[in-house]
Amino acid sequence: AQSVTQPDIHITVSEGASLELRCNYSYGATPYLFWYVQSPGQGLQLLLKYFSGDTLVQGIKGFEAEFKRSQSSFNLRKPSVHWSDAAEYFCAVGGRSGGYNKLIFGAGTRLAVHP
Amino acid sequence: DTAVSQTPKYLVTQMGNDKSIKCEQNLGHDTMYWYKQDSKKFLKIMFSYNNKELIINETVPNRFSPKSPDKAHLNLHINSLELGDSAVYFCASSQTFEQFFGPGTRLTVL
Repeated sequence: AQSVTQPDIHITVSEGASLELRCNYSYGATPYLFWYVQSPGQGLQLLLKYFSGDTLVQGIKGFEAEFKRSQSSFNLRKPSVHWSDAAEYFCAVGGRSGGYNKLIFGAGTRLAVHP
Repeated sequence: DTAVSQTPKYLVTQMGNDKSIKCEQNLGHDTMYWYKQDSKKFLKIMFSYNNKELIINETVPNRFSPKSPDKAHLNLHINSLELGDSAVYFCASSQTFEQFFGPGTRLTVL
């Protein structure tokens, strides 16, 4: 069965520091992978996605993620964090259920940014 | 133009009442979803419709009844509300794996 693990529940970084959020997935075939961000009181916004091709994908707001098949990982990175990046981050893998597409979400990582 | 919209944004009600949440998407997608997000931010899929047909029905109490009058709309009706139904409910739509989310409806049951 497909599953997603985000090992870090909370992460705190200083503004300007680099960031890496971890995501590990379990999926039998080549996965479709996503990172979403949820700012306080808001819905989920897609940061980036991986379907195939280059394993380093660029997203919005200066984020990038690297797909590593050997490690079943899709970690999210940003070289310099801004205070506005404080939010909840969700990793997701695309799977099939009864012949239809569905997303399986991780439990999320809450990012706090110190000034 | 809002791609996926939900109404209302906030809903406060008493236990035992019946309430509805509405969702509309203008993206032309065939598939729509309802998710429940609990206080720990965990996202759980509840239902999915494809072209007005129910295709995913996770383990959800039958007090929850989704309805899709057309492929652009997916409503959620909840009967006999309980304290444990308090959560944020998100609607989403998709054409492939990528899903587009609405702003959420925060339901508080007193």
